[in-house]
Amino acid sequence: KAGVTQTPRYLIKTRGQQVTLSCSPISGHRSVSWYQQTPGQGLQFLFEYFSETQRNKGNFPGRFSGRQFSNSRSEMNVSTLELGDSALYLCASSSLDRVGQTQYFGPGTRLLVL
Amino acid sequence: QQQVKQSPQSLIVQKGGIPIINCAYENTAFDYFPWYQQFPGKGPALLIAIRPDVSEKKEGRFTISFNKSAKQFSLHIMDSQPGDSATYFCAASKDNAGNMLTFGGGTRLMVKP
Repeated sequence: KAGVTQTPRYLIKTRGQQVTLSCSPISGHRSVSWYQQTPGQGLQFLFEYFSETQRNKGNFPGRFSGRQFSNSRSEMNVSTLELGDSALYLCASSSLDRVGQTQYFGPGTRLLVL
Repeated sequence: QQQVKQSPQSLIVQKGGIPIINCAYENTAFDYFPWYQQFPGKGPALLIAIRPDVSEKKEGRFTISFNKSAKQFSLHIMDSQPGDSATYFCAASKDNAGNMLTFGGGTRLMVKP
């Protein structure tokens, strides 16, 4: 079974631009979560989608948004990029949206904002 | 506010040693505590997880010890190998929060041959 895939793997943007990252979960998984990983703040939860509905949201500004499609693929968007948005963005999928489910992480998209 | 505190930040052990990584949490609503392993260039991968109704869980060379009253849990790696060199994260989640994980700050482990 193929793992979680994320595209693109690397991205360079400039301040003020917007970016869209994509995540394809493991086949059959309906929950997709997004995390931001930085050296200073570590791994921080952005949001979770299940069956096209946002189920949970972390403490990030409204510039960070996401969505999930009927095939469970998910995208996250960051508008008006800031230097501090430079990070590794990780997507994780699991079969259900309840506690205790094994989450499988993708390799991440590394975003650099100049 | 960091809800899960992890220590140490880095750890160096000799092959065969038993590195121990500790985590402490504040929110008593947490009821699922997984540990993740991350290699450079890869996403985190689940190692082992525990619920608060047990005090210890073993899977292969990895053991979680859990102390509910102290709100602490730890990861022990038995007979550590150079291939265990990675960054380890503890995490916690609660029943009404779906798959939302609160992570500790991470521990970079190096196992010397």
